[in-house]
Amino acid sequence: EAGVAQSPRYKIIEKRQSVAFWCNPISGHATLYWYQQILGQGPKLLIQFQNNGVVDDSQLPKDRFSAERLKGVDSTLKIQPAKLEDSAVYLCASSPGQGVWESISGANVLTFGAGSRLTVL
Amino acid sequence: AQSVAQPEDQVNVAEGNPLTVKCTYSVSGNPYLFWYVQYPNRGLQFLLKYITGDNLVKGSYGFEAEFNKSQTSFHLKKPSALVSDSALYFCAVRPHRGNTDKLIFGTGTRLQVFP
Repeated sequence: EAGVAQSPRYKIIEKRQSVAFWCNPISGHATLYWYQQILGQGPKLLIQFQNNGVVDDSQLPKDRFSAERLKGVDSTLKIQPAKLEDSAVYLCASSPGQGVWESISGANVLTFGAGSRLTVL
Repeated sequence: AQSVAQPEDQVNVAEGNPLTVKCTYSVSGNPYLFWYVQYPNRGLQFLLKYITGDNLVKGSYGFEAEFNKSQTSFHLKKPSALVSDSALYFCAVRPHRGNTDKLIFGTGTRLQVFP
């Protein structure tokens, strides 16, 4: 099966500019995640979608970050305006979701994309 | 709050020697624990998970991990390291509450295997 697709792979912008990242999850996966990985740190969850609804956005800096998954398939993460501290790799992941999968597998495995590396100057 | 700790920033080992990458966890209830590996310029790849049952879990590329409830640890191991195992390794825990299978990651341990 095809993996999680992300674009662009690299982006360099100046502070106060805007940027958008795109993610296409594995076909049929109901749950989609955006993680932020700052150099030297572990990935931190920004937002989780179940189909087209938001499950958890408690750590999303909503004054500058936004994300959508309008049709419950692909997703876009936007940063506007960007700050220097937003320099990171933005990882998208997907999983089958809750319900029947959970009872069979015991716990869903998240599949990650290659990430989008953002440098803010 | 649920969390994992990886006490070593880097682990160095000679090729052919056994390796251990340490992870301890703090959760309420029974933990769901995971190990992922990250190669340069690539996303995280799943290695193995512990849900329940046998404390020794076998995963991809010859890796295994031992769940120890009394020590709240989930150390990653491999009997004989390869140079190609050099990468960044992350331990993760899944919270139990709520309708979510999100993962909370540790800070990562860089494994360097020398020829």
